[in-house]
Amino acid sequence: AQTVTQSQPEMSVQEAETVTLSCTYDTSESDYYLFWYKQPPSRQMILVIRQEAYKQQNATENRFSVNFQKAAKSFSLKISDSQLGDAAMYFCALLGGNTGKLIFGQGTTLQVKP
Amino acid sequence: GAVVSQHPSRVICKSGTSVKIECRSLDFQATTMFWYRQFPKQSLMLMATSNEGSKATYEQGVEKDKFLINHASLTLSTLTVTSAHPEDSSFYICSASTFGGGVDTQYFGPGTRLTVL
Repeated sequence: AQTVTQSQPEMSVQEAETVTLSCTYDTSESDYYLFWYKQPPSRQMILVIRQEAYKQQNATENRFSVNFQKAAKSFSLKISDSQLGDAAMYFCALLGGNTGKLIFGQGTTLQVKP
Repeated sequence: GAVVSQHPSRVICKSGTSVKIECRSLDFQATTMFWYRQFPKQSLMLMATSNEGSKATYEQGVEKDKFLINHASLTLSTLTVTSAHPEDSSFYICSASTFGGGVDTQYFGPGTRLTVL
């Protein structure tokens, strides 16, 4: 069975500071993808960043970057220069196998303090 | 690109009635669409997977006769909640993917808040 664990239910960060959200996963698949999605108060799920497991290089998207540790099955998200608009619930997700199904973590609510 | 719409965004209905929710991929063809249910401050719970032109695959514990899913075209899937009851009140989210076509990312609709009185 594939699992995704986010052990931080809530995090907070000061505006302009950096925060890291943790995610660990488990899968027996050799080919898989990892995602971070953001769900702001509007509840629209927004793709933040995507990582292919076969790529060693960590994905980056502007202020968002990941630390992908394949051996440790860890996939953390770093948000630099945090902005008020980054306040949201963040979900880590795993896509593996041939079903196309996403396995979601429990989510981490990020609060950004002005 | 990769925009998914959902309609309606909010619906209130009486107990015993049926409600239909539409999910459309606006700028790409979705071979697979997914339907999720989300309770406040919780993660998304996958209800079913639908592939265009075939029957939906339901997750364990989801009543297929209550939550009817139709995926009639590559851009449209519908979820019908039949004989809705107050316990069906929830936030329903769809996603669309071109899984199998080289792009494996799921793109999500904005969700539908269902309230059953």
